[in-house]
Amino acid sequence: RKEVEQDPGPFNVPEGATVAFNCTYSNSASQSFFWYRQDCRKEPKLLMSVYSSGNEDGRFTAQLNRASQYISLLIRDSKLSDSATYLCAVTDPYSSASKIIFGSGTRLSIRP
Amino acid sequence: DAGVTQSPTHLIKTRGQQVTLRCSPKSGHDTVSWYQQALGQGPQFIFQYYEEEERQRGNFPDRFSGHQFPNYSSELNVNALLLGDSALYLCASSAGVQGYSNQPQHFGDGTRLSIL
Repeated sequence: RKEVEQDPGPFNVPEGATVAFNCTYSNSASQSFFWYRQDCRKEPKLLMSVYSSGNEDGRFTAQLNRASQYISLLIRDSKLSDSATYLCAVTDPYSSASKIIFGSGTRLSIRP
Repeated sequence: DAGVTQSPTHLIKTRGQQVTLRCSPKSGHDTVSWYQQALGQGPQFIFQYYEEEERQRGNFPDRFSGHQFPNYSSELNVNALLLGDSALYLCASSAGVQGYSNQPQHFGDGTRLSIL
């Protein structure tokens, strides 16, 4: 089983739609969780950290479910510019360093 | 305030050659981590450098080696290149290795390495 798993997609949704991604992680001792956005042939950029209480940043909402070991990302009122790959990331609980384990990413395409 | 900078942007090599990639951390950061991202995959941790020493290593062969300089910049060296080494190589910097860290990684633009 992969340490971090995501549905690869692609998700193809119309502009204005709401889209949700899930990500599961295997190690229950993991402490920190993130969503990154990666545009084609660019570096990953931090979208948001995910906190136990859930957090929202504009149209984006992240949730953490420790019991089921999954993280979710909800995008409301999607824009064409939201088209990208979304990477789920989890800190390695056994690492003495700030090592992060990434999922393979979920591709999102927003159509006009 | 410059973020993480990497060079070169692109590189083309042939099998068996050796390559050196460079990274300058963000101002105030002293720890550098390297990741490899193959097409269609998430970044995979290669190793991390702190105080000019390799502090942790991922599941990569000894062909992958690195170095950190007194100014905290870092190099990633790959010997005996294979076709499978074609990937985007990403550098991330952070401030210190303080036991467990819950801080996210911020990446440089990356070096795209193509092996022919």
